[in-house]
Amino acid sequence: DVKVTQSSRYLVKRTGEKVFLECVQDMDHENMFWYRQDPGLGLRLIYFSYDVKMKEKGDIPEGYSVSREKKERFSLILESASTNQTSMYLCASNGGFPLGYTFGSGTRLTVV
Amino acid sequence: RKEVEQDPGPFNVPEGATVAFNCTYSNSASQSFFWYRQDCRKEPKLLMSVYSSGNEDGRFTAQLNRASQYISLLIRDSKLSDSATYLCAVNTGGFKTIFGAGTRLFVKA
Repeated sequence: DVKVTQSSRYLVKRTGEKVFLECVQDMDHENMFWYRQDPGLGLRLIYFSYDVKMKEKGDIPEGYSVSREKKERFSLILESASTNQTSMYLCASNGGFPLGYTFGSGTRLTVV
Repeated sequence: RKEVEQDPGPFNVPEGATVAFNCTYSNSASQSFFWYRQDCRKEPKLLMSVYSSGNEDGRFTAQLNRASQYISLLIRDSKLSDSATYLCAVNTGGFKTIFGAGTRLFVKA
């Protein structure tokens, strides 16, 4: 089974902190994604990457950046955390289209 | 109008019932379609892809209606363990997949 691992299940950070969320997949997938999920809004795409060092903005990239230095690892960075970035963050990967996604178990981030 | 819309529910059904959810999408050029299941405080898990010819997996049947731009999920003989949120997802081409906000299902004994 494809495994997508997110480094933390729960995080509490202070406003203004720089936050790193890590995601690793073990199936050699080219495509990796970062979503956030909020009640009533569903999943919204922040950034995605289709190859090492390649990244594309999703629908809500403001306040975020990403890094993909190795194929298996895709990091989401909150440059200066704000309270409106309190959310569930989900990493996903897939091996191409039209295949579905495999998600990590999520990181519930609270910014205080 | 949202690109992908679902009735949030909740749908409350007794064990053994048949229940169906719909999901409408606005982009007629959408190419691939999926249903995911998400348990409380867990990640979404792929339930099934939706093909033009329909797709059946045990008690679950997914169908696509391109003319009316919706996909459906039918669950027969509902089990308590089917209680979850069901998310539809629509790929509009390339890397863009849009998720609905989900439909909550409660199956009661």
